[in-house]
Amino acid sequence: DVKVTQSSRYLVKRTGEKVFLECVQDMDHENMFWYRQDPGLGLRLIYFSYDVKMKEKGDIPEGYSVSREKKERFSLILESASTNQTSMYLCASSLGTFQETQYFGPGTRLLVL
Amino acid sequence: KQEVTQIPAALSVPEGENLVLNCSFTDSAIYNLQWFRQDPGKGLTSLLLIQSSQREQTSGRLNASLDKSSGRSTLYIAASQPGDSATYLCAALAGSARQLTFGSGTQLTVLP
Repeated sequence: DVKVTQSSRYLVKRTGEKVFLECVQDMDHENMFWYRQDPGLGLRLIYFSYDVKMKEKGDIPEGYSVSREKKERFSLILESASTNQTSMYLCASSLGTFQETQYFGPGTRLLVL
Repeated sequence: KQEVTQIPAALSVPEGENLVLNCSFTDSAIYNLQWFRQDPGKGLTSLLLIQSSQREQTSGRLNASLDKSSGRSTLYIAASQPGDSATYLCAALAGSARQLTFGSGTQLTVLP
């Protein structure tokens, strides 16, 4: 079975802090994704990566950056956390083509005070 | 830009009922349509994926259909059980960026 793990289930950070969210997949998937999920807004794509060191902006990249130094690991970085970045963050991965299903991690619930 | 809508937002049924969840999308040039399940506070679990060339997919008590021309997909759940209670999301893969666009979900409660 595909396993996607996220470094933390819950995080509490202060405004202005730099925040790192880590995601690791164990199935040699090419593609990895970061979403945020908010009530009433659904899931929105922040960034995705189709290869090591490659990244593409999603629908809401402002205030975020990403890093993919190794194939199995995709990090989401909040350069200076703000209260409007309080959300549930979900990581996903998929095999070679984008037509494959995406496998999701358990999510990280981030609270920025 | 692709928009995906799910109606109703919430549904409550007694155990044993057959039910249908609806999903509509605005851009019919999709690559595939996916259905996911999400339990409270958890990530998403893939249920069914229908490629654009297919009309339906089945897995156990679940059957998903796709009508690209009308921009609609349905998820049929047979003989519902309390363990089916969750939020069900559909997502359409379309566009040059090959991004999934998600609906807001239908929160299903199956009453024992």
